[in-house]
Amino acid sequence: KQEVTQIPAALSVPEGENLVLNCSFTDSAIYNLQWFRQDPGKGLTSLLLIQSSQREQTSGRLNASLDKSSGRSTLYIAASQPGDSATYLCAVRMAGNNRKLIWGLGTSLAVNP
Amino acid sequence: EPEVTQTPSHQVTQMGQEVILRCVPISNHLYFYWYRQILGQKVEFLVSFYNNEISEKSEIFDDQFSVERPDGSNFTLKIRSTKLEDSAMYFCASRLHPNTEAFFGQGTRLTVV
Repeated sequence: KQEVTQIPAALSVPEGENLVLNCSFTDSAIYNLQWFRQDPGKGLTSLLLIQSSQREQTSGRLNASLDKSSGRSTLYIAASQPGDSATYLCAVRMAGNNRKLIWGLGTSLAVNP
Repeated sequence: EPEVTQTPSHQVTQMGQEVILRCVPISNHLYFYWYRQILGQKVEFLVSFYNNEISEKSEIFDDQFSVERPDGSNFTLKIRSTKLEDSAMYFCASRLHPNTEAFFGQGTRLTVV
């Protein structure tokens, strides 16, 4: 059974720092991995989607990498800003007909001005 | 930019009542999903829907739950005889194809009292 774990659970950094959020999964037979942002009490905003054949994806200050064989993904945030404060979730989609996403618990990020 | 829309944003209902949560997926998307997130817990898959039928459902999605696409635009989740433990944020999502990015709505916060 696929398990997705995110560390750290919470992170507090000063503005301007570069930071790395980690996501690990126990079953490497994934089809893709998606990173989301969730603001308190709000919805899920898709940040990046990495297909299993890809190593990384970039969008602005965000860079996500994927090492499928070791069951790891990282989300790198460059030059963090207070507006980046949110919970960051990763979710994997298994290979095959199973189309559902399996989620981590998230990393709660606070960027302090 | 196209988005998934959910209504209402917050619903309070008495235990034992029926509720209908509504979603308007992105117009050209073909695959639809409901997930829920109990406060402080992981996002959980409930059901996926394609070609006017359920394609997969989780153990949570028992006879208390049903989904419907009553017309070409709406996708609804009905919860019958609500229980206190049904209190959660319910998210609707849609995709164009099974392996493309999933887009989520802002969620409906259901509170059962």
